[in-house]
Amino acid sequence: KNEVEQSPQNLTAQEGEFITINCSYSVGISALHWLQQHPGGGIVSLFMLSSGKKKHGRLIATINIQEKHSSLHITASHPRDSAVYICAADKTSGSRLTFGEGTQLTVNP
Amino acid sequence: DTGVSQDPRHKITKRGQNVTFRCDPISEHNRLYWYRQTLGQGPEFLTYFQNEAQLEKSRLLSDRFSAERPKGSFSTLEIQRTEQGDSAMYLCASSENSGSTQYFGPGTRLTVL
Repeated sequence: KNEVEQSPQNLTAQEGEFITINCSYSVGISALHWLQQHPGGGIVSLFMLSSGKKKHGRLIATINIQEKHSSLHITASHPRDSAVYICAADKTSGSRLTFGEGTQLTVNP
Repeated sequence: DTGVSQDPRHKITKRGQNVTFRCDPISEHNRLYWYRQTLGQGPEFLTYFQNEAQLEKSRLLSDRFSAERPKGSFSTLEIQRTEQGDSAMYLCASSENSGSTQYFGPGTRLTVL
């Protein structure tokens, strides 16, 4: 069993829909990261959170430390949101990240 | 600041050849990380540096792999006697300090024929 698991693996949505991607982890963490990867490989850090909730534009990330679960929400989805979304656990502060396998999101116009 | 850069972006080599990749982190970032990503999978940790010191190496990093960060700035990752299983995207990231956001480079895609 992977230490970081995401669901779903693939997600197709219509433009404007509310999207949720889930991440569960089985290890103690100092922080949980959400990353976005576009075709061609470039990875962009979206959020780093250790408790509660963070919001940036149409993106919202939440984490429940007790349940070892995090969610990434996209409101009013747009085709440009199409990408792979990856959650990653930082098990010890500033050391290596342990990644989930990613969720391929496709938003159709 | 131009972000993390990696060179080359693509490398095609024949099995058995040696390859070397370079990563230039964001200036004054103390931490530098190497990850490997195969198609359809999330990245996997290979190794990381705090300044010039290599602090951790994954079991994935066999003795054919070596990484250096001689002056605490750029880093190189060398793979000797490449195998087809080494084909992957090699990602570099840097962060200011422990616990800071990691910034990723565009990656080097290696294809071993």
